[in-house]
Amino acid sequence: NAGVTQTPKFRVLKTGQSMTLLCAQDMNHEYMYWYRQDPGMGLRLIHYSVGEGTTAKGEVPDGYNVSRLKKQNFLLGLESAAPSQTSVYFCASSKTGTSRVREQYFGPGTRLTVT
Amino acid sequence: GENVEQHPSTLSVQEGDSAVIKCTYSDSASNYFPWYKQELGKGPQLIIDIRSNVGEKKDQRIAVTLNKTAKHFSLHITETQPEDSAVYFCAANPVRDSGYALNFGKGTSLLVTP
Repeated sequence: NAGVTQTPKFRVLKTGQSMTLLCAQDMNHEYMYWYRQDPGMGLRLIHYSVGEGTTAKGEVPDGYNVSRLKKQNFLLGLESAAPSQTSVYFCASSKTGTSRVREQYFGPGTRLTVT
Repeated sequence: GENVEQHPSTLSVQEGDSAVIKCTYSDSASNYFPWYKQELGKGPQLIIDIRSNVGEKKDQRIAVTLNKTAKHFSLHITETQPEDSAVYFCAANPVRDSGYALNFGKGTSLLVTP
């Protein structure tokens, strides 16, 4: 049971380039999330998904797109990278339930630098 | 929306002492308050959480207290050890429909010196 995995671990992009970050979970969780972490800012929600084929915007969605074609995978895309997107990106997942309580499990992160 | 404030931003303690980190939240409807520990180069790891129907929860050397009236909750680490050194984040779940995503505080960097 690997939990939540992310690829790649590190990436350097030039301004204007595109890339896709992959998140995979083997816990059969319905919910998946993408956060970014910047120094002194905590974690901020970019996009999330409540199930296969569904996605929604979070707090800071501009410049990003996502897809959830398979339940276990959640992809984060940058179509035209900008220096402001230099950050550490974390994927998380959580299971369903009847309450609003959702324990979230995080991946190891992807460190992205845009020059 | 939910706003989570966390203090202090840095905390240095001697090994064996206690450490306390405090958070406040704005949305009185929030009902779930987890704490995460993040070691250098790793993802956040859930260490303890508390639900709104409980005032205190303890797990070995760590405990969390919740005061719903005042809308604040705290993490207490007793008998600190050097391996407790990390960044700690508090979080709360907002009422708005965001797939149950969490709003995080900005983190507390804890340093435990031998």
